[in-house]
Amino acid sequence: DAGVTQSPTHLIKTRGQQVTLRCSPKSGHDTVSWYQQALGQGPQFIFQYYEEEERQRGNFPDRFSGHQFPNYSSELNVNALLLGDSALYLCASSLGPQDEQFFGPGTRLTVL
Amino acid sequence: GDSVTQMEGPVTLSEEAFLTINCTYTATGYPSLFWYVQYPGEGLQLLLKATKADDKGSNKGFEATYRKETTSFHLEKGSVQVSDSAVYFCALSPYSSASKIIFGSGTRLSIRP
Repeated sequence: DAGVTQSPTHLIKTRGQQVTLRCSPKSGHDTVSWYQQALGQGPQFIFQYYEEEERQRGNFPDRFSGHQFPNYSSELNVNALLLGDSALYLCASSLGPQDEQFFGPGTRLTVL
Repeated sequence: GDSVTQMEGPVTLSEEAFLTINCTYTATGYPSLFWYVQYPGEGLQLLLKATKADDKGSNKGFEATYRKETTSFHLEKGSVQVSDSAVYFCALSPYSSASKIIFGSGTRLSIRP
């Protein structure tokens, strides 16, 4: 049984560019949450998707957007990248919006 | 707003030593409390949780008790092993918004053989 998977593992972008990160939830899970983990810090909640809609959002600007597909996989898009967007981006899936979240290994984004 | 404050690291102990990592929280209502662990090169894993006051979460020899009177959820283990070396995060899920998890800044633990 595959756990949460994320792609790519690493990527490097320059300021002003746009990036798309992908997440496949654990088998049977229908809810995906995204977190940003800056170096040496704890993860911060970006948003959660359930039934293909953004259900809840943390304190992140509109440059951060997402999407959930009918197969429950999800994308995180970040526009107009800033140096401060460099971080590990974690995806977590759950069986419902309020159930235990299982985390993927993350995508390491570096903005130069 | 809701927040978690945990003991700053790094913490270095010898094998078989007693471990305590302090964690306090600020929240309205009755949040659920968690400890997550991040092993090198791996994703975050839920270590233990407690959902109401005086509950004790336990797993793999680790324990933490939900203390509402002191707003604390300290992590303890009686005898640590080298394999316990990792980063530990205290976290809460607000009562009003169980969908999101609010994490502390993490405590890096290193165990010497």
